[in-house]
Amino acid sequence: AQKITQTQPGMFVQEKEAVTLDCTYDTSDPSYGLFWYKQPSSGEMIFLIYQGSYDQQNATEGRYSLNFQKARKSANLVISASQLGDSAMYFCAMGPPGGSNYKLTFGKGTLLTVNP
Amino acid sequence: DSGVTQTPKHLITATGQRVTLRCSPRSGDLSVYWYQQSLDQGLQFLIQYYNGEERAKGNILERFSAQQFPDLHSELNLSSLELGDSALYFCASSTSGGSDEQYFGPGTRLTVT
Repeated sequence: AQKITQTQPGMFVQEKEAVTLDCTYDTSDPSYGLFWYKQPSSGEMIFLIYQGSYDQQNATEGRYSLNFQKARKSANLVISASQLGDSAMYFCAMGPPGGSNYKLTFGKGTLLTVNP
Repeated sequence: DSGVTQTPKHLITATGQRVTLRCSPRSGDLSVYWYQQSLDQGLQFLIQYYNGEERAKGNILERFSAQQFPDLHSELNLSSLELGDSALYFCASSTSGGSDEQYFGPGTRLTVT
């Protein structure tokens, strides 16, 4: 079974600073994918970034980067130059090995508040 | 805008009733997933369809059922509703149903009174 743990229920950051949201995972599968989603107060889930377990380099998408440490089973999200619009709930998720029955297991989420 | 549409946006109904939630995937996506988000359970995977066929099942109750139609839209049917079924129901789609990203719709907020 797969498990995602997000130990920070809430985080605060000052505008324009960087912030790291923690995510650890547990799986016995050798191949998996790790995802981060953002959920603003409006409720929709927005895909941010993806990291494959065999990817050699850490994923980056604009101001988002994923600090993937396979040995530690961690996949932390780094948001650089925080903006007020980054205030939202952030979910780390994991998928089973590739195939046609791909489903996501989510963590409990971290509520990020960006202060002006 | 993810390109995934869900209707209705909000739904209020009484216990014991039956409702149908509808989802249209992004153009070209063959796989549809349903998720339930509630305060106590968090985000949970319910079921996946790929090109009309059921491919994976998660924590879906027997009172719930889903299907994917030839035009690839999907419906989630919830029957004999209970107060605990109140939640945000998301539909997501992906290109192949494999290790590719899932794009979520805006969700349907179901309130059972």
